[in-house]
Amino acid sequence: EIVLTQSPGTLSLSPGESATLSCRASESVSSTFLAWYQQKPGQAPRLLIYGASSRATGIPDRFIGSGSGTDFTLTITRLEPEDFAVYFCQQCGTVPLTFGQGTKVEIK
Amino acid sequence: QVQLVESGGDVVQPGGSLRLSCAASGFTFSTYGIHWVRQAPGKGLEWVALIRYDGSKEYYADSVKGRFTISRDNSKNTLYLRMNSLRAEDTALYYCFAFTDSPHWGQGTLVTVSS
Repeated sequence: EIVLTQSPGTLSLSPGESATLSCRASESVSSTFLAWYQQKPGQAPRLLIYGASSRATGIPDRFIGSGSGTDFTLTITRLEPEDFAVYFCQQCGTVPLTFGQGTKVEIK
Repeated sequence: QVQLVESGGDVVQPGGSLRLSCAASGFTFSTYGIHWVRQAPGKGLEWVALIRYDGSKEYYADSVKGRFTISRDNSKNTLYLRMNSLRAEDTALYYCFAFTDSPHWGQGTLVTVSS
């Protein structure tokens, strides 16, 4: 199975700062099938980025996805208060679907 | 737009059974494979099972193989998950997931296995 490793585990930042989240795959992942999500307690995952770099409907342009092959990045510029949450990556091109363990972006 | 609506979650005793449903709309259901994914309280996401678009093949996580059965009724645009021999560790929010031109999730249905 494809293992997705996210780093760092926790990011402590202030509103207005930028966040850079990494997702590294144990083998190459087609960009078509790499997605990023935001999740808050008690809520379903919210799709942010699909196809490694395409923003989902209604997602602000401060969320930027990039990368290919085994290295993918989610950048959040100008953090807003509502952006403090857990973020995780997913590959859905190969069974079993796999997920990163998550990066928590917390208020410093 | 694509909608996936799960139902059937409940509180069940260890060793019990439950059937979950996922009603789909907004896309041609019969042309896409559909997955079940679960999330235990405070834990990460775990893939559970996949069924091919025509129901011809199923795939399972080792943790549920032999206990869970995924199925679908393309005439009703509905996905199912039959869960037998439930264990405490099966307690989770269960989501159905589809990739059409992008990923789509339902809101989940809660299964609690407890005596």
